[in-house]
Amino acid sequence: TQLLEQSPQFLSIQEGENLTVYCNSSSVFSSLQWYRQEPGEGPVLLVTVVTGGEVKKLKRLTFQFGDARKDSSLHITAAQPGDTGLYLCAGGDAGGTSYGKLTFGQGTILTVHP
Amino acid sequence: NAGVTQTPKFRVLKTGQSMTLLCAQDMNHEYMYWYRQDPGMGLRLIHYSVGEGTTAKGEVPDGYNVSRLKKQNFLLGLESAAPSQTSVYFCASSLTWGLAAQETQYFGPGTRLLVL
Repeated sequence: TQLLEQSPQFLSIQEGENLTVYCNSSSVFSSLQWYRQEPGEGPVLLVTVVTGGEVKKLKRLTFQFGDARKDSSLHITAAQPGDTGLYLCAGGDAGGTSYGKLTFGQGTILTVHP
Repeated sequence: NAGVTQTPKFRVLKTGQSMTLLCAQDMNHEYMYWYRQDPGMGLRLIHYSVGEGTTAKGEVPDGYNVSRLKKQNFLLGLESAAPSQTSVYFCASSLTWGLAAQETQYFGPGTRLLVL
C-alpha cells in the first residue's frame, strides 16, 4: 500500500508570509498532482509534475517533484487570504495492476489572515 | 457545461437504511470515480468505472455498490447504511484513466452523508 504523508496538517499565517507544504512517501510515484479544495466544494487540480526534479510555477505557487519521485513540495510566496483552503497532494501509481490510481495525502488546511 | 454534478447535497440516514447517490457528468468522459473524504485521511477511492457498463473496486469498496448504466451517470448505493459510512462523498470523472496520461480528474461538489 502506498502512503503519502503531508505536513503540516494545519498552517495559520499572516498575509504576506511565505509557506511550504510537504508531501513525502517511501514509494515511488509515476507523477504527482496538487489540488486545492475550498469549503463545500470538490478538489480542483492545480498542477501535475511528472519528471524527477521538475519544478513548475503557477503565479506565486511553486511546485517541485523530488529527484527520486518520492516527495513533492508546494511553496507559496507572499500568501494572500484568497489562498486559504485545503491543499491535497496525490500520487499516481508507478506500475502494476493499479497503474494510474491516485493516492491522496491527508491534506493541509491553510488559513491566511488579512 | 455543468461539469460534474451530484445529488443530493446532504442526507441524514438511520442505521440500516438504504440510499443511492447520483453523479452526472456532461463532458463525455469515459472514466468515473467515487471517493470518500474523512478528516485527516484525504480522499479514498471506493469504486471506479472505465466505461459504460463496467465497474471495479477501489481501495474501500465494502458496504457500497455502483452501477454505470449510462456513460454520463455513475450511481453509488448503500444497501444498509452504518455510522462508519458518515462521510463526504465525491464523484469525479476524467477523459482517461488516472495519471497514466496525466489527465485531470474533475470533481463534483460532494454529498454530505450523516448516518445516525
